[in-house]
Amino acid sequence: EVQLVESGGGLVQSGGSLRLSCAISGFTFSSYWMSWVRQAPGKGLEWVANIKQDGSEKYYVDSVRGRFTVSRDNAKDSLYLQMNSLRAEDTAVYYCARPRATTATNGGYDPWGQGTLVIVSS
Amino acid sequence: AIRMTQSPSSFSASTGDRVTITCRASQDISNYLAWYQQKPGKAPRLLIYDASTLQSGVPSRFSGSGSGTAFTLTISCLQSEDFAIYYCQHYHSYPVTFGPGTKVDVK
Repeated sequence: EVQLVESGGGLVQSGGSLRLSCAISGFTFSSYWMSWVRQAPGKGLEWVANIKQDGSEKYYVDSVRGRFTVSRDNAKDSLYLQMNSLRAEDTAVYYCARPRATTATNGGYDPWGQGTLVIVSS
Repeated sequence: AIRMTQSPSSFSASTGDRVTITCRASQDISNYLAWYQQKPGKAPRLLIYDASTLQSGVPSRFSGSGSGTAFTLTISCLQSEDFAIYYCQHYHSYPVTFGPGTKVDVK
């Protein structure tokens, strides 16, 4: 069974840091681009970051570039999101997601994890 | 960044209705468009990719069409489990962006 399980969310003060993890099982992790997508409470979906299979390419939404870093450990089947200088507007459920095919880079995400909630208090 | 808009933002419908949701891109995205369904407290579910390709396991009452800047998601015969929020997403270029969502609720 394909599974993505996020962890690491929680309550943090503005300016603080958190590291999110996404544990993968049920597919060959190293064959896929991976993504982080977030959703603020009661709001829509926002793509956050993408990382290539070997980690050689990374892309970010402007609002997190320079503060967040996406990484992966293919030996551990794990995806990470290091979040620094957190702001109140980063409060959201963070999902890790996989493109539907190994040939896809950033579209048609399936499956998704269950999400982990990050709350940044000001 | 490419901006995605959806219409309507919300509407009420009844089981059995034919439902159409429109998504527009601020510039040509070819067919690099996906549709998702999201229910409260759950992760989004991929319905359609490449504008018109049905994801495996998704009921055939869902269909997508369009290319360029105008796209539609159609539910041919609304079922009780289809009341949810629907999002479009382009993946033509970075940054990937989602539409604001369309909420379909019970009339």
